[in-house]
Amino acid sequence: NAGVTQTPKFRVLKTGQSMTLLCAQDMNHEYMYWYRQDPGMGLRLIHYSVGEGTTAKGEVPDGYNVSRLKKQNFLLGLESAAPSQTSVYFCASSQPGESHTDTQYFGPGTRLTVL
Amino acid sequence: GQSLEQPSEVTAVEGAIVQINCTYQTSGFYGLSWYQQHDGGAPTFLSYNALDGLEETGRFSSFLSRSDSYGYLLLQELQMKDSASYFCAVRRAGNMLTFGGGTRLMVKP
Repeated sequence: NAGVTQTPKFRVLKTGQSMTLLCAQDMNHEYMYWYRQDPGMGLRLIHYSVGEGTTAKGEVPDGYNVSRLKKQNFLLGLESAAPSQTSVYFCASSQPGESHTDTQYFGPGTRLTVL
Repeated sequence: GQSLEQPSEVTAVEGAIVQINCTYQTSGFYGLSWYQQHDGGAPTFLSYNALDGLEETGRFSSFLSRSDSYGYLLLQELQMKDSASYFCAVRRAGNMLTFGGGTRLMVKP
């Protein structure tokens, strides 16, 4: 099992450009999440999904869109990148009821710089 | 809204015991999780408390007091590899997590 994978690992964008970050999981998890982590800070939830075809806003959704067309994939889009979106982006997945902990499993992250 | 407070940095020596505290204010509280993150790495799950009391997993233990909105992570027999950031996170409906700012633990020889 690869677990949670993210593509790409690094990316540099110019202000106004668009891009899509891909997250894939092979654990058949229902729930998937996108977080951002700024230097020296905790993770903040951008958007999440509780199943294929569903998405919902998290704490900091502005400037981002998501799609969950297949259960194993969760896409994060930036339509018009801004320097404030420079961050490390983590994807995570979990399976409700799998254990009492409902652990979230994280991908390795995508380091995005917007110039 | 949700807020979590934890110390920004803790230093301890190898073999010692260290406690990282976390206080929280939140609505819809299901439990308190702890995650570890090494520099440049992804967060990994350590422990979870849904009920008051102590949960022990090897060298790591976690405690929760729901009435005090307080929890802590206890690391025993510290090793150099324990140098990392530790995050408490409140679990809410939909298994959403709200993370604290993290505590950077430095273990010295």
